[in-house]
Amino acid sequence: SQQGEEDPQALSIQEGENATMNCSYKTSINNLQWYRQNSGRGLVHLILIRSNEREKHSGRLRVTLDTSKKSSSLLITASRAADTASYFCATSDFGNEKLTFGTGTRLTIIP
Amino acid sequence: EAEVAQSPRYKITEKSQAVAFWCDPISGHATLYWYRQILGQGPELLVQFQDESVVDDSQLPKDRFSAERLKGVDSTLKIQPAELGDSAMYLCASSSNTDTQYFGPGTRLTVL
Repeated sequence: SQQGEEDPQALSIQEGENATMNCSYKTSINNLQWYRQNSGRGLVHLILIRSNEREKHSGRLRVTLDTSKKSSSLLITASRAADTASYFCATSDFGNEKLTFGTGTRLTIIP
Repeated sequence: EAEVAQSPRYKITEKSQAVAFWCDPISGHATLYWYRQILGQGPELLVQFQDESVVDDSQLPKDRFSAERLKGVDSTLKIQPAELGDSAMYLCASSSNTDTQYFGPGTRLTVL
């Protein structure tokens, strides 16, 4: 079963704009991760944020985590055509490496 | 850069036939995962290995699916007999003692 839900399900923006995707989950977590998947390919790890962290940056990526609301957001700044992909959040519990993925956001960057 | 290898990349089979997928994790990664991803959804864990031992196979349909990792390195996932509803992407991932999982390119299965 899916732990999280991404919102929106699909997002189209112009190249250069910022893209924001949200993830909500149901149970307490140890950490939350974001992955990218290009069409028909495997997943690529983007960033991990632990339950005691509130914000994390990696290049053009900014992730926030609000454990009180059981939600996270992924911001991609200055989007590029190569950012076109599906983005998934995934959570893991304490003492368990198992990842539970959300339903994904399909991001399209229009050149 | 080391990668997770999977083969075949694509497999078309008829229902009731047997299929097998192979995964070679990143060298030194003790933990190996098999996921199934139905089109338009996120991956769902089928089985998790720690070295050669199964850690979690609670979501594996054991009447038709089997997985093994005999020497604690590469792994095989088998479906017998395949059903129409098994059409999906089968993803393998591996990890060391960190929380990050590294995914292979996947095997796209189509059951006719």
